[in-house]
Amino acid sequence: DSGVTQTPKHLITATGQRVTLRCSPRSGDLSVYWYQQSLDQGLQFLIHYYNGEERAKGNILERFSAQQFPDLHSELNLSSLELGDSALYFCASSVGGRRGSPLHFGNGTRLTVT
Amino acid sequence: DQQVKQNSPSLSVQEGRISILNCDYTNSMFDYFLWYKKYPAEGPTFLISISSIKDKNEDGRFTVFLNKSAKHLSLHIVPSQPGDSAVYFCAASDNNAGNMLTFGGGTRLMVKP
Repeated sequence: DSGVTQTPKHLITATGQRVTLRCSPRSGDLSVYWYQQSLDQGLQFLIHYYNGEERAKGNILERFSAQQFPDLHSELNLSSLELGDSALYFCASSVGGRRGSPLHFGNGTRLTVT
Repeated sequence: DQQVKQNSPSLSVQEGRISILNCDYTNSMFDYFLWYKKYPAEGPTFLISISSIKDKNEDGRFTVFLNKSAKHLSLHIVPSQPGDSAVYFCAASDNNAGNMLTFGGGTRLMVKP
């Protein structure tokens, strides 16, 4: 158990809809990262928050947004969903935001867009 | 453009033998490399890392080798155990990217008893 909690585990929704994925980091971790894994591919970095502030953005679509709240949990919002958004979405946390701080991943949210 | 590539989607090894998983990268700015292991229905877990100032790092049964000139790294598992059966991801970062990791596509390792 990594200590990172992601909810829900599974989500099935229709094209055009909006969903929110939630992540609670390990106790004491200030950084939260979101990754997307599509169709047995590698994980693609989406966004990094550190102590409530956005630190880095990857190839995140404009339809996607995220935030980290004062209690350090994070939410990833996906809107105007398309079939291609179907993927596993992983959240990871680390103590700091600097390199070398190991990432601890949650078990992911599997999103299916029909 | 895949900057980190794992060209073998799968690998099958007999228990007790050596498993060698390979990873190639194209971005010469990458200077820190990691291996993660992933079991089904779980998130990836950190296994071992190596900085570009080294060419080898060892942790128990796991050793990572880095060949900077070839932009190639490999993970050796000796001896392989059935519990090592999982998907292994190679990841890399550069000094300007903070803790943002670029992952390869993964290699599924099957260790047969």
